[in-house]
Amino acid sequence: SQTIHQWPATLVQPVGSPLSLECTVEGTSNPNLYWYRQAAGRGLQLLFYSVGIGQISSEVPQNLSASRPQDRQFILSSKKLLLSDSGFYLCAWTRLWGTAGANVLTFGAGSRLTVL
Amino acid sequence: RKEVEQDPGPFNVPEGATVAFNCTYSNSASQSFFWYRQDCRKEPKLLMSVYSSGNEDGRFTAQLNRASQYISLLIRDSKLSDSATYLCVVNMRGGSQGNLIFGKGTKLSVKP
Repeated sequence: SQTIHQWPATLVQPVGSPLSLECTVEGTSNPNLYWYRQAAGRGLQLLFYSVGIGQISSEVPQNLSASRPQDRQFILSSKKLLLSDSGFYLCAWTRLWGTAGANVLTFGAGSRLTVL
Repeated sequence: RKEVEQDPGPFNVPEGATVAFNCTYSNSASQSFFWYRQDCRKEPKLLMSVYSSGNEDGRFTAQLNRASQYISLLIRDSKLSDSATYLCVVNMRGGSQGNLIFGKGTKLSVKP
């Protein structure tokens, strides 16, 4: 069966510090990978998605970046955090587009970031 | 008009009640629709997909109205464990990858 791991679960960072959140998927190959953010009182916002190694699409301009160095690894980074970066970050995967269930998102447990 | 809109609630209902949520979407080309459930401080989890003909899973019934561009979720015989936020999800590009848009969610609280 497929599993998705995301870490760290919780972090508190000062403004201006760097960020690295990591996500890995097991039990599948060629997944589509996603980073979402859920800020307090707001819906889930798609930040990035990737259909393959090195392929990143950005949905919202911001001071965050994403990378996919391996097929089942997705990393969210920032060089300098802003207060507005606080939120609940969720990694998710779907099957390859065109296959059964390709629109069904499975989320990791999330990383709760507080920027002070 | 927002892409996906939901009544934020909260819906406070007694155990055993029937409750219904609606969700409207703006893109008539949307092809895929889902309901997710999110418990407090947890990740969203798929509750059910929504099919054109409507579908049922136990106490949960989902329906799609393409003409009016809304989907609905009906929960019968509410349980305490149904308390959660219910998220409406729509694929907004009629099939393109990476554009699953979430509503802000409807909060349900089932009381004894």
